Amino acid sequence: AQSVSQHNHHVILSEAASLELGCNYSYGGTVNLFWYVQYPGQHLQLLLKYFSGDPLVKGIKGFEAEFIKSKFSFNLRKPSVQWSDTAEYFCAVKASGGSYIPTFGRGTSLIVHP
Amino acid sequence: NAGVTQTPKFQVLKTGQSMTLQCAQDMNHNSMYWYRQDPGMGLRLIYYSASEGTTDKGEVPNGYNVSRLNKREFSLRLESAAPSQTSVYFCASSGIWGAAEAFFGQGTRLTVV
Repeated sequence: AQSVSQHNHHVILSEAASLELGCNYSYGGTVNLFWYVQYPGQHLQLLLKYFSGDPLVKGIKGFEAEFIKSKFSFNLRKPSVQWSDTAEYFCAVKASGGSYIPTFGRGTSLIVHP
Repeated sequence: NAGVTQTPKFQVLKTGQSMTLQCAQDMNHNSMYWYRQDPGMGLRLIYYSASEGTTDKGEVPNGYNVSRLNKREFSLRLESAAPSQTSVYFCASSGIWGAAEAFFGQGTRLTVV
């Protein structure tokens, strides 16, 4: 079965700093990769997803992620964070061998100081 | 367009009590899921239903049962609540193809005392 690892559990940044959140998955076959965001007290919402084509994916609110197949990674980036980006971020994978059931990482809590 | 609707939003139970969490989606999705979210543990799959009429266990099914009532509705039942089931529960749905994203309900915050 597939699994997802998020290396950064807590990240604290100042506004305008750059962000990179790590995500690695374990599965040797075809995968579809997602980043979700959960703002305080709210449900998860999709930030971006990769399923084929250009490995650099752009999402909402200036976020992007790069799929590096050789490294089994799908890291999330943003050049300049804002206070409103304070949230929890989840990486998820859907794999053909896992019946395309979404499997989530443990999440990264991001706090952005104004 | 309501998306995924969960009820209730909050619930306090005494140990041993039972309850059912309701979930309905209006996006004609085949697949539905129940997750629990605990601090530092991310989202863990309790049960899922790949299509109407089928249900399967996820990572943490003990103490729970589910019913896929029809294509729209997928309920989660706690027969005898335990303090370890204190958590935030999320229902989600998605299309069946691999690239389909999951849509989440607003969550149910359950406390078992």
